[in-house]
Amino acid sequence: KQEVTQIPAALSVPEGENLVLNCSFTDSAIYNLQWFRQDPGKGLTSLLLIQSSQREQTSGRLNASLDKSSGRSTLYIAASQPGDSATYLCAVNSRGGTYKYIFGTGTRLKVLA
Amino acid sequence: SAVISQKPSRDICQRGTSLTIQCQVDSQVTMMFWYRQQPGQSLTLIATANQGSEATYESGFVIDKFPISRPNLTFSTLTVSNMSPEDSSIYLCSVEVAGLGTEAFFGQGTRLTVV
Repeated sequence: KQEVTQIPAALSVPEGENLVLNCSFTDSAIYNLQWFRQDPGKGLTSLLLIQSSQREQTSGRLNASLDKSSGRSTLYIAASQPGDSATYLCAVNSRGGTYKYIFGTGTRLKVLA
Repeated sequence: SAVISQKPSRDICQRGTSLTIQCQVDSQVTMMFWYRQQPGQSLTLIATANQGSEATYESGFVIDKFPISRPNLTFSTLTVSNMSPEDSSIYLCSVEVAGLGTEAFFGQGTRLTVV
């Protein structure tokens, strides 16, 4: 059974810092991994999608990497801004069985001005 | 990509009543899903909404409590039946779009409070 864990659960940093959010999963047989952002009380915004054959994806100040063999993904945020404050969720779509996303518990990020 | 409209955005309901949540997508999609996010928790899949047939429910979720309809490839509804305070959650509709990979998109969610 796939399980997804995110560390840290919460993070508070001053504006301008580069930071790394971690996601680990127990079953390396995945179709893809997706990072989302969720603002309080809102839905999810897709940030980056990494297919199982890819090592990383970049969008603006965001870079996500994937190491399937070790069951890990990282989301790197460069030059953080107060507007980056949100909860960041990673989700894994596993091969075999039911085709569905399993979500991690999220990292609550607060960037201080 | 896909744009998803979900209604209502929020509601406060009396226990014992039912609420139907609508999800409309701006393009035809094969896969539609309903998730629940309880306060302070991550997302849990309720069911896959199948077009023209009964939804596929995850363990712990049953059709009598969460009936789902999907009459076509762009629309689905989730009903939360006989509500109790424990049903207070954000309910989210999601679709997956096949492209270079399969990317998931979400509606803005329905924040339900049961009193």
